[in-house]
Amino acid sequence: AQTVTQSQPEMSVQEAETVTLSCTYDTSESNYYLFWYKQPPSRQMILVIRQEAYKQQNATENRFSVNFQKAAKSFSLKISDSQLGDTAMYFCAFMKQVKPGNQFYFGTGTSLTVIP
Amino acid sequence: DTGVSQDPRHKITKRGQNVTFRCDPISEHNRLYWYRQTLGQGPEFLTYFQNEAQLEKSRLLSDRFSAERPKGSFSTLEIQRTEQGDSAMYLCASSSTWLAGGHSYNEQFFGPGTRLTVL
Repeated sequence: AQTVTQSQPEMSVQEAETVTLSCTYDTSESNYYLFWYKQPPSRQMILVIRQEAYKQQNATENRFSVNFQKAAKSFSLKISDSQLGDTAMYFCAFMKQVKPGNQFYFGTGTSLTVIP
Repeated sequence: DTGVSQDPRHKITKRGQNVTFRCDPISEHNRLYWYRQTLGQGPEFLTYFQNEAQLEKSRLLSDRFSAERPKGSFSTLEIQRTEQGDSAMYLCASSSTWLAGGHSYNEQFFGPGTRLTVL
């Protein structure tokens, strides 16, 4: 079975500072995808960043980047130059491809508060 | 088409009643997912459709739950004889898959959810 663990239930960061959210996962699959989703208060979940397991290069999307350590099964999210709009729940997710479809597994989330 | 929509956004019902939720995916997406999210938890997978075919069902989906996706467009999730433990946010997501460089890619887009409260 696949599990996704986010060990930081809550975090806070000063505006303009950098913060790193942790995520570990457990799988025996070799081909899979990892995601970070953001869920602002009372708003819908949106994709922040995606990493394909076969890629060694860490994904980057503007102020968001990941540190993907495949051997350690670790997938952390770094948010640079934090903004007030980054305040949200962040979920780490794992996807494996199971023909004919795929299966997603989510962590329990990290609540991030950006302090002005 | 601006995204995945869900209706209703909120539903309050009494224990034992039946409820039905609707999800309208992004029009060109052939895959549709239902999740349940309780307070302080991440989404838990319930079921998955590819076009009109229901291909995956979680063990969380008891026989009181049924989902359909007629004609491969919108989907409905029905809960019969609701229980207080069914209170949760029910999320719908849709996706399409594309191929590049010998690999397939899949990105889910989530709807705003339906918050169910069973009294």
